[in-house]
Amino acid sequence: GAGVSQSPRYKVAKRGQDVALRCDPISGHVSLFWYQQALGQGPEFLTYFQNEAQLDKSGLPSDRFFAERPEGSVSTLKIQRTQQEDSAVYLCASSFQAGNTGELFFGEGSRLTVL
Amino acid sequence: EDQVTQSPEALRLQEGESSSLNCSYTVSGLRGLFWYRQDPGKGPEFLFTLYSAGEEKEKERLKATLTKKESFLHITAPKPEDSATYLCAVREAGTALIFGKGTTLSVSS
Repeated sequence: GAGVSQSPRYKVAKRGQDVALRCDPISGHVSLFWYQQALGQGPEFLTYFQNEAQLDKSGLPSDRFFAERPEGSVSTLKIQRTQQEDSAVYLCASSFQAGNTGELFFGEGSRLTVL
Repeated sequence: EDQVTQSPEALRLQEGESSSLNCSYTVSGLRGLFWYRQDPGKGPEFLFTLYSAGEEKEKERLKATLTKKESFLHITAPKPEDSATYLCAVREAGTALIFGKGTTLSVSS
């Protein structure tokens, strides 16, 4: 596609439910990042993939958060046993360059609300 | 302590009224400073990369500058369509981007 596509755009979950957020990066982009953006804050790094390899997951806030990119293209961020503090916009970004570059193409985000 | 601090948090301008946004950072070993624009309900959109003190980049009404401790985003004769949140981010060696909280700019006609 022309840009980074994320789905669903909006997700409401009851506390304790599991959720899965999908990211379809720009075709051919090697690097893929997940960020979390709370209301009124800047994005915070969660994890980074280079192709199918997860090279950095230092930003994942707990072991309830899990991300994968099995074929080096589409990525899924899974949150188990959601808590209210998980409510945020989850942004996916991609880059054609390998490595942790700063020139990223972001999707529109998935807004998660945990009740 | 925040590594990236943006000021002001919010800025209201009249159309044509030039101003500057500030981004100060405390990271060592800077590997790039980045400016992004974010519209409501959208993801950030890349604007500029600056790598060394003294460097400047321009795009339409926007000009970004960099010193050893801060960056400025100068907006000349802004228009209502420049209204957005402007995010600053820095990168140290081997790390992902560290974003500031942003400056929300409103330009009225």
